[in-house]
Amino acid sequence: KAGVTQTPRYLIKTRGQQVTLSCSPISGHRSVSWYQQTPGQGLQFLFEYFSETQRNKGNFPGRFSGRQFSNSRSEMNVSTLELGDSALYLCASTFSPSGANVLTFGAGSRLTVL
Amino acid sequence: AQTVTQSQPEMSVQEAETVTLSCTYDTSESDYYLFWYKQPPSRQMILVIRQEAYKQQNATENRFSVNFQKAAKSFSLKISDSQLGDAAMYFCAYMAGAGSYQLTFGKGTKLSVIP
Repeated sequence: KAGVTQTPRYLIKTRGQQVTLSCSPISGHRSVSWYQQTPGQGLQFLFEYFSETQRNKGNFPGRFSGRQFSNSRSEMNVSTLELGDSALYLCASTFSPSGANVLTFGAGSRLTVL
Repeated sequence: AQTVTQSQPEMSVQEAETVTLSCTYDTSESDYYLFWYKQPPSRQMILVIRQEAYKQQNATENRFSVNFQKAAKSFSLKISDSQLGDAAMYFCAYMAGAGSYQLTFGKGTKLSVIP
């Protein structure tokens, strides 16, 4: 059974650019959530999608957005990149209704903004 | 808002010994879940153990066990017979029980295992 797949694993962008990260959940998982991990702020929740609907959103500016497709794959987009957006972006998936609420994480996408 | 606090930024343990990582949380909910995740240097976050708040019995997974004190809002992780592969960042996390899959993480504890 394949795990959560995130692409790309590494990327370098410059300030002002935009970036799109992709996440393919475990087959059958309908919930996908995204987290930002930085040394200073730790792990912070970005948003969660369930059956193509955003259910929760963390305290991030509107430059951070996401979506989920009918096959449960998800993308997140960051526009007008800032140096502070450099981070490891983690995607996690789980299934409903009795999935014991266990999130399975991908390996992450390491974004560096120059 | 829920908060999770891990008061030990770093800890070390001798191989084969036992170590306990501390975690406290704050919530007004009665239904919730608590987790310990491990993140080795390869950075893949791995579930170590999970506890449902409504269960009084402490969860165990092989060498890993928790001490869940609901009234004190404490959720510590005990690692027995520590192995070199246990070296990693350990994150305590909280999830509300009402249909939400959002995790609130602590800052983490870096565990070193000394051969």
